[in-house]
Amino acid sequence: EIVLTQSPGTLSLSPGERATLSCRASQSVSSTYLAWYQQKPGQAPRLLIYGASSRATGIPDRFSGSGSGTDFTLTISRLEPEDFAVYYCQQYGSSPRRWTFGQGTKVEIK
Amino acid sequence: EVQLVQSGAEVKKPGESLKISCKGSGYSFTTYWIDWVRQMPGKGLEWMGTIYPGDSDITYSPSFQGQVTISVDKALTTAYLQWSSLKASDTAMYYCVRERLGAFDIWGQGTMVTVSS
Repeated sequence: EIVLTQSPGTLSLSPGERATLSCRASQSVSSTYLAWYQQKPGQAPRLLIYGASSRATGIPDRFSGSGSGTDFTLTISRLEPEDFAVYYCQQYGSSPRRWTFGQGTKVEIK
Repeated sequence: EVQLVQSGAEVKKPGESLKISCKGSGYSFTTYWIDWVRQMPGKGLEWMGTIYPGDSDITYSPSFQGQVTISVDKALTTAYLQWSSLKASDTAMYYCVRERLGAFDIWGQGTMVTVSS
């Protein structure tokens, strides 16, 4: 079973700053099935990035994803007030079908 | 508009049964996997299992196998998650999601299930 470890657990930043979130897999995963989600309090998560680096519909270009193999990164180039939230990475494994989430990184206002 | 609309919040007692629903609309319901995700209060996201509405092929997470049942009614374009005997530890928000692009691209609004005596 693949484990996803996100770091840091909490990121304290100011609006306008750059946020770099890490997602490390316990073994190599397919970039095709590496995704990032944003969740704000009281809301359902929202897909931000799929295929490790493709932005979902309507996602601003300040959000970008990169990485391959076991190391993946979500970068928010300049934090807007609405970006303070919890972010999760996710990967898919086949045989059998299963999805795994990281434990989340909270981006909070400093 | 593509959407998944879930049934409303539930308050149940331990030992009771429950079936919550997730209705898809705005797309070809039978051609995309539907998954269920649990989020316990203040915690992260846990994948529970998945169903392909086209043929009702189901896979459960080992953590949830035997604890819940996933089903679908194609005619109603609705997926279901059910429990035969709820426990207090089942208290959580439950989301249904659509799989597409190798990710979960559409999320239901969530169904809060509270189990308390």
